[in-house]
Amino acid sequence: GIQVEQSPPDLILQEGANSTLRCNFSDSVNNLQWFHQNPWGQLINLFYIPSGTKQNGRLSATTVATERYSLLYISSSQTTDSGVYFCAVNTGNQFYFGTGTSLTVIP
Amino acid sequence: DGGITQSPKYLFRKEGQNVTLSCEQNLNHDAMYWYRQDPGQGLRLIYYSQIVNDFQKGDIAEGYSVSREKKESFPLTVTSAQKNPTAFYLCASSRISGNEQFFGPGTRLTVL
Repeated sequence: GIQVEQSPPDLILQEGANSTLRCNFSDSVNNLQWFHQNPWGQLINLFYIPSGTKQNGRLSATTVATERYSLLYISSSQTTDSGVYFCAVNTGNQFYFGTGTSLTVIP
Repeated sequence: DGGITQSPKYLFRKEGQNVTLSCEQNLNHDAMYWYRQDPGQGLRLIYYSQIVNDFQKGDIAEGYSVSREKKESFPLTVTSAQKNPTAFYLCASSRISGNEQFFGPGTRLTVL
């Protein structure tokens, strides 16, 4: 199956800082999603972004499908942003997940 | 409220027992999925169903079984053949196969 790599694996930020999370994938994809997994395990949809750029408040995402990567930007981070961020890519009927970026925002 | 429910939230079973995890959605989605998550890992696909009465194996289907008799329900049975069943199990659905997925809250299974 397709390989999905996320970087960095771990990230510690001071509250108010900005960050960029990266997702690389090894083959052409139909769709791409970004999720935030909270401490209770719930996966929260952030972006459904097969290509282009989207913004939602302090978060934005860009997918460059031809170069096989996607970026998630978090600006003015807050402690509630802590958790694990996953990207998932779709190549037909299946989604393949990366191993995630664990983000800790300290006050 | 539209959404996906999973029950129970926590489940404990003895080794060698089969156990069934429930997943229900009222989003009128055709496609449903089961994933397994181990500590510090991403999600891996167990089974998926594109439509009622149809399902396909994912990457780690061995030791699991599913059914899809109703559009809104996709139960997962963890059988005694699954060698390491302790994990966090997540169910998802999408309007059609391959579209944006939405997840339930998960079930944490511990086999003693």
